[in-house]
Amino acid sequence: GQSLEQPSEVTAVEGAIVQINCTYQTSGFYGLSWYQQHDGGAPTFLSYNALDGLEETGRFSSFLSRSDSYGYLLLQELQMKDSASYFCASLYGGATNKLIFGTGTLLAVQP
Amino acid sequence: DSGVTQTPKHLITATGQRVTLRCSPRSGDLSVYWYQQSLDQGLQFLIQYYNGEERAKGNILERFSAQQFPDLHSELNLSSLELGDSALYFCASSVVGTQDTQYFGPGTRLTVL
Repeated sequence: GQSLEQPSEVTAVEGAIVQINCTYQTSGFYGLSWYQQHDGGAPTFLSYNALDGLEETGRFSSFLSRSDSYGYLLLQELQMKDSASYFCASLYGGATNKLIFGTGTLLAVQP
Repeated sequence: DSGVTQTPKHLITATGQRVTLRCSPRSGDLSVYWYQQSLDQGLQFLIQYYNGEERAKGNILERFSAQQFPDLHSELNLSSLELGDSALYFCASSVVGTQDTQYFGPGTRLTVL
């Protein structure tokens, strides 16, 4: 089946840089999205990579390597408010398109 | 505020019952998605509708059904409820399809007792 793997937890300090990795299965793969979810809240879209390379949006960047079936989310100048769960999600095509979410990475930012 | 609304915010019911969750997408969005998020299963895609037609189906149980109405709002019907159906149910919308950014509603927390 289609599944994504990401670390369950990451801890970093304020002002630091953190990278959250995601590996996915390739069959029918279209692109990789990243979502942020604060505890009890709704997921919020962060970025989408359809092509290889780096996409930058402010303090957040996302990278995709199709040859390695791998992507990552890079968060710079960490702030306390970045403490949240981060989900990668792969878009798969076929008879119907599906968005499959990873299990999420809980990021704890410490002072 | 994403522009996607969901009602009710909280729902408490008993096993064996049936409930209906409602979602109104952002203005102009044609696609609606339903997701279930439980502690042990993460975020699971259930079903997608596009302009009134079912477009994609994920891990949706036969006890669950959904529809999208001409005004584009959607309802998720959950029947013969079990304790394990307790979860957060999110609705999301996008302009067209799954390659677009999805905007999530605040969710409905369902508790089955």
